[in-house]
Amino acid sequence: ELQLVESGGVVVQPGGSLRLSCAASGFRFSDYTMYWVRQAPGKGLELVSLLSWDGTATHYADSVKGRFTTSRDNTKNSLHLQMKSLRTEDSALYYCARDSGRNYAYYYFDLWGRGTQVTVSS
Amino acid sequence: DIVMTQSPDSLAVSLGERATINCKSGRTILSSSNNKNYLAWYQQKPGQPPKLLIYWASTRESGVPVRFSGSGSGTDFTLTISSLQAEDVAVYFCQQYYTTPQTFGQGTKLEIK
Repeated sequence: ELQLVESGGVVVQPGGSLRLSCAASGFRFSDYTMYWVRQAPGKGLELVSLLSWDGTATHYADSVKGRFTTSRDNTKNSLHLQMKSLRTEDSALYYCARDSGRNYAYYYFDLWGRGTQVTVSS
Repeated sequence: DIVMTQSPDSLAVSLGERATINCKSGRTILSSSNNKNYLAWYQQKPGQPPKLLIYWASTRESGVPVRFSGSGSGTDFTLTISSLQAEDVAVYFCQQYYTTPQTFGQGTKLEIK
């Protein structure tokens, strides 16, 4: 079964750090660009980061640039998001998502996890 | 980044009636090289992740009911639900993937009248 399962979301104080993980199964993880997308309560979808299949191409939203780093381990079928200098406005449900195309395709997202909740609060 | 704007922000439609959601891109997302519109639609029900409904502006994802259809080209697109069912209550998002970063519309909340 195709599946993405996020973990690592907790309550953290402003200025703190956190590492999210996404475990992939049911497909050849190393073929696909992967994304982190976040959604604040009652709000829309914001693309936080993307990471190409081989880890050579990345993109970050301006709102997280310099604070968040995405990485992957293709041997363990896992995607990570290292978050530092967290702000209250980073509070959101963080989804891991898969690109529908392979290799360097940047298309629509055909597989989503259920998300992990990050709350930044003192 | 390409700005995507949906209208309306919310919509109430009677069961069995047609629901229409619009999405406008800040610039064309029609590729001249392959004549494809780089637009997708997603459905998000409460407490669930987004679910892909339509891609390439009008291609239904496998398993999506035929009452869902997508149309449009260039900068103006429409998602139509031909006969609204109770299970269609959700927020709908459009997304362009013509350029990175892929960007989403703000969402349209669809309710039953």
